[in-house]
Amino acid sequence: NAGVTQTPKFRVLKTGQSMTLLCAQDMNHEYMYWYRQDPGMGLRLIHYSVGEGTTAKGEVPDGYNVSRLKKQNFLLGLESAAPSQTSVYFCASSYSLSRSAGYTFGSGTRLTVV
Amino acid sequence: EDKVVQSPLSLVVHEGDTVTLNCSYEVTNFRSLLWYKQEKKAPTFLFMLTSSGIEKKSGRLSSILDKKELSSILNITATQTGDSAIYLCGSASNSGYALNFGKGTSLLVTP
Repeated sequence: NAGVTQTPKFRVLKTGQSMTLLCAQDMNHEYMYWYRQDPGMGLRLIHYSVGEGTTAKGEVPDGYNVSRLKKQNFLLGLESAAPSQTSVYFCASSYSLSRSAGYTFGSGTRLTVV
Repeated sequence: EDKVVQSPLSLVVHEGDTVTLNCSYEVTNFRSLLWYKQEKKAPTFLFMLTSSGIEKKSGRLSSILDKKELSSILNITATQTGDSAIYLCGSASNSGYALNFGKGTSLLVTP
């Protein structure tokens, strides 16, 4: 039982480069989320999706795009990476919050932009 | 705007001590409050508290929701070095789709 799988686990980008982070879940969860975690800042919501084909902005969406073409996958894209996007990125999934006891998190992606 | 505030932001205790972590929330149409423990990697679920379930306990850990004060505490008794982690508090609203997290409390338990 894989749960939530994030790839890659580590990445170093140069300023201006682009990349896509992949999140895959095998629990048939409707909801999926991308958070970033910076020292002393907790988890901040970037984007989320409440179902296949839907996405919505969270607290800190600037510089990121997302897509949810399949229910089990949620992609986070950085079109032109900036040093301010150096962070640890967590994907999570859940049933709707009315059904759910909370999230299942992936193991994170550590991204460094130089 | 919903808000979750955790205190203290960091804490160092000796093994065997009892610690209390605090979480206050301002949530429109409150549904639940959740506690997570984060060690090296992904946060793992500890407790969920709702208006109808205000106290939870699991081994040395327990949590209480104070609906009047809009706050929650996480207690850890007889702390062990394995309790060293970041503890995250998150709130859920009936009118939202995602958890809103506080900044976390970093707990270090020294031998």
